[in-house]
Amino acid sequence: DGGITQSPKYLFRKEGQNVTLSCEQNLNHDAMYWYRQDPGQGLRLIYYSQIVNDFQKGDIAEGYSVSREKKESFPLTVTSAQKNPTAFYLCASSTGTGGYEQYFGPGTRLTVT
Amino acid sequence: GENVEQHPSTLSVQEGDSAVIKCTYSDSASNYFPWYKQELGKGPQLIIDIRSNVGEKKDQRIAVTLNKTAKHFSLHITETQPEDSAVYFCAANNYGQNFVFGPGTRLSVLP
Repeated sequence: DGGITQSPKYLFRKEGQNVTLSCEQNLNHDAMYWYRQDPGQGLRLIYYSQIVNDFQKGDIAEGYSVSREKKESFPLTVTSAQKNPTAFYLCASSTGTGGYEQYFGPGTRLTVT
Repeated sequence: GENVEQHPSTLSVQEGDSAVIKCTYSDSASNYFPWYKQELGKGPQLIIDIRSNVGEKKDQRIAVTLNKTAKHFSLHITETQPEDSAVYFCAANNYGQNFVFGPGTRLSVLP
């Protein structure tokens, strides 16, 4: 089956620790995205990548970092600099940027205490 | 930049009735308008989309209409069923630009 996988589904961390969220896709998509979703709110773009070894900041990149070493993988690291890291994180991919359907993964719920 | 508003924020309908969710956008250059359905604890799934060269698109019980002049587009769900209960997001974008999502509408279909 083709699709996007995110792991783990639930993640718990202590404040001050960095944590990395996994995102893998086998759709052969060039573009990948990370969104943050807070309760009752829409999706806010953290980072996106249009091609391997390249990525751009989204609207709320502070306190996050990414890498894109392989086409299939786009991991997100939530650093200790992120002041409110508890949220639902969604990864997505698309054929290209703009005008193309984005396919979403199942999400990772991160809780930091 | 693009700004997308969505109304209503919550919507309750009786099973079998129709539901309508409306979105407005600000950038007249936007030309792709998808609608996503998100069930609790899951990622959003595309249910229908429309491009700026089309005024209406229908897929079984779901339809989307686009008014480019007024810069708004709407999702119409007919003969609603309990499984239609979810949060619905609209989005707008242009080639080479990222999606801008609306804040979402929580639809409840009451049996």
